[in-house]
Amino acid sequence: SQQGEEDPQALSIQEGENATMNCSYKTSINNLQWYRQNSGRGLVHLILIRSNEREKHSGRLRVTLDTSKKSSSLLITASRAADTASYFCATDANYGQNFVFGPGTRLSVLP
Amino acid sequence: EAQVTQNPRYLITVTGKKLTVTCSQNMNHEYMSWYRQDPGLGLRQIYYSMNVEVTDKGDVPEGYKVSRKEKRNFPLILESPSPNQTSLYFCASSTGTSGFDEQFFGPGTRLTVL
Repeated sequence: SQQGEEDPQALSIQEGENATMNCSYKTSINNLQWYRQNSGRGLVHLILIRSNEREKHSGRLRVTLDTSKKSSSLLITASRAADTASYFCATDANYGQNFVFGPGTRLSVLP
Repeated sequence: EAQVTQNPRYLITVTGKKLTVTCSQNMNHEYMSWYRQDPGLGLRQIYYSMNVEVTDKGDVPEGYKVSRKEKRNFPLILESPSPNQTSLYFCASSTGTSGFDEQFFGPGTRLTVL
């Protein structure tokens, strides 16, 4: 089945810096979503971008989607210690009925 | 408060002893789904349901059963648990009849099968 693969697997930055995470997938999608997970807890939806969109913003988050390269990136600007979490991209399959998550990027923001 | 609840949150059991993990949502969502999360593998979908009495297999359905008799509930059943089902399980729900929209996740159930 298709799968989102995040890159890098782990990222460590200083507070105030920007963090960029990438996601690649294998087959055509209808939409791509990004989620955040704080250690062992439930996932929280961050942003959804549809296949006909190229860029989307939400607060300090900026997501881009390049369907020709089958890739997406999540940029967190002016990071804070509270942004420390794992970030997952999720792509839909089977007309949105079936969702596939990547293994995630672990982000550590150091104070 | 809009939420997805799961019970129990933690469970230790032995091989072969049937168990059920409950999931309930109060948002009148049509779409519900179960995932398992294992280190290095991300979340993998077990089963999903687009509406009452409609369920379908995800990527890793073997060893699991589900039912959707009511819109708000979507229990996950392990008829004969095995150690390879030790994992962190999440239930999620979403608006609409597909997973296109934002999914709301429960807090997770940490299952250990000895």
